Amino acid sequence: DQQVKQNSPSLSVQEGRISILNCDYTNSMFDYFLWYKKYPAEGPTFLISISSIKDKNEDGRFTVFLNKSAKHLSLHIVPSQPGDSAVYFCAASVGSNYQLIWGAGTKLIIKP
Amino acid sequence: ETGVTQSPTHLIKTRGQQVTLRCSSQSGHNTVSWYQQALGQGPQFIFQYYREEENGRGNFPPRFSGLQFPNYSSELNVNALELDDSALYLCASSLTSVAEQYFGPGTRLTVT
Repeated sequence: DQQVKQNSPSLSVQEGRISILNCDYTNSMFDYFLWYKKYPAEGPTFLISISSIKDKNEDGRFTVFLNKSAKHLSLHIVPSQPGDSAVYFCAASVGSNYQLIWGAGTKLIIKP
Repeated sequence: ETGVTQSPTHLIKTRGQQVTLRCSSQSGHNTVSWYQQALGQGPQFIFQYYREEENGRGNFPPRFSGLQFPNYSSELNVNALELDDSALYLCASSLTSVAEQYFGPGTRLTVT
């Protein structure tokens, strides 16, 4: 029972263009969503989060959009840079519950 | 400021054996969470410790146990190892917040 799904195992984007990573969830109780980035041989690094009371949150080149009716969120990276090449995970939780439910990840490759 | 460290980096064990993995949390963090990440999947929450007490547990059997020490470092113990326990084990520390979890690089456990 995958409550958080990232259906694209990989994504290739030209440097300078927009990268869009998608995530779907099934549990309507989730109300806090996070994106993490992971380089090989390192632990995940927190990128950006969004609460269900918002539909958009921006932090520099990173923007997360939340569509509650569709149970869908996306991470936009503009412009994409070579250092953005990594595996991106979305995760969700119910309120301040400590238990994060993670997607399987999307490997983003930025081409020069 | 010292980040989250984990030891050992890699470990090979035989089915039925017991293993102890260690984690030193980031300075000032009193909460440690442990995750299991199987190949090609996102991390799965095992349990969390807050000020030396278990603060929540995911869907893992009792042979997965843990400890947190007064200095907030932590151990994950797995008894009666099974082949399916082969995974990357991640430790994350935080100051109570779900979002700002700082991950260590992980311990790669192989059970043969």
